[in-house]
Amino acid sequence: EVVLTQSPGTLSLSPGERATLSCRASQSVTSNYLAWYQQKPGQAPRLFIYAASSRATGIPDRFSGSGSGTDFTLTISRLEPEDFAVYYCQQYGSSPLTFGGGTKVGI
Amino acid sequence: QVQLQESGPGVVKPSETLSLTCTVSGGSISNYYWSWIRQAPGKGLEWVAYIYSTGNTNYNPSLQSRVTISVDTSKNQFSLKMSSVAAADTAVYYCARMFRPGAAGFFDYWGQGALVTVSS
Repeated sequence: EVVLTQSPGTLSLSPGERATLSCRASQSVTSNYLAWYQQKPGQAPRLFIYAASSRATGIPDRFSGSGSGTDFTLTISRLEPEDFAVYYCQQYGSSPLTFGGGTKVGI
Repeated sequence: QVQLQESGPGVVKPSETLSLTCTVSGGSISNYYWSWIRQAPGKGLEWVAYIYSTGNTNYNPSLQSRVTISVDTSKNQFSLKMSSVAAADTAVYYCARMFRPGAAGFFDYWGQGALVTVSS
């Protein structure tokens, strides 16, 4: 199975700063089928990015996804207070689908 | 707007069977993939299984021997059964709709989650 490693585990930033989250795969992700989710405490995850770089419905354009092969990045250009959360990457290019361990973006 | 709602016992005894149902509203269960994902307390996400509305299934190999997913299109519901549960199965169980463009898919709609605790 494809193992996804997210780094860093925790990112300490302030509102207005830029956040760069990494997701590295143990093998190439087929067709760059990689998604990103945001999860806040006590809530279900919410789809933010699919196909590595396509924003889901209603996701603001300060969020962008990039990368291919084994290295993917989620960038938040300017952090808003509501962006502080845990972010997970997930690959769906091969079965079984797998999730990364998450990156917490905190103040 | 599609909505999903998990239901089932909040506590299950060790070695018994966990049973959860997800009710889909605001849209038909037909012609889509549906999945269960779980999250142990303070941990990350783990995919459990998915099913197509016609009944085709796929399971996480690490859980396959203990898990059964099923669908009831007449009720717009799908269900999860997990046998021989242990403390390690304590988690929030989410149901979700899966969009599958390839070998697997991503999850665009999620339920709020149901905490299942395995305890005697």
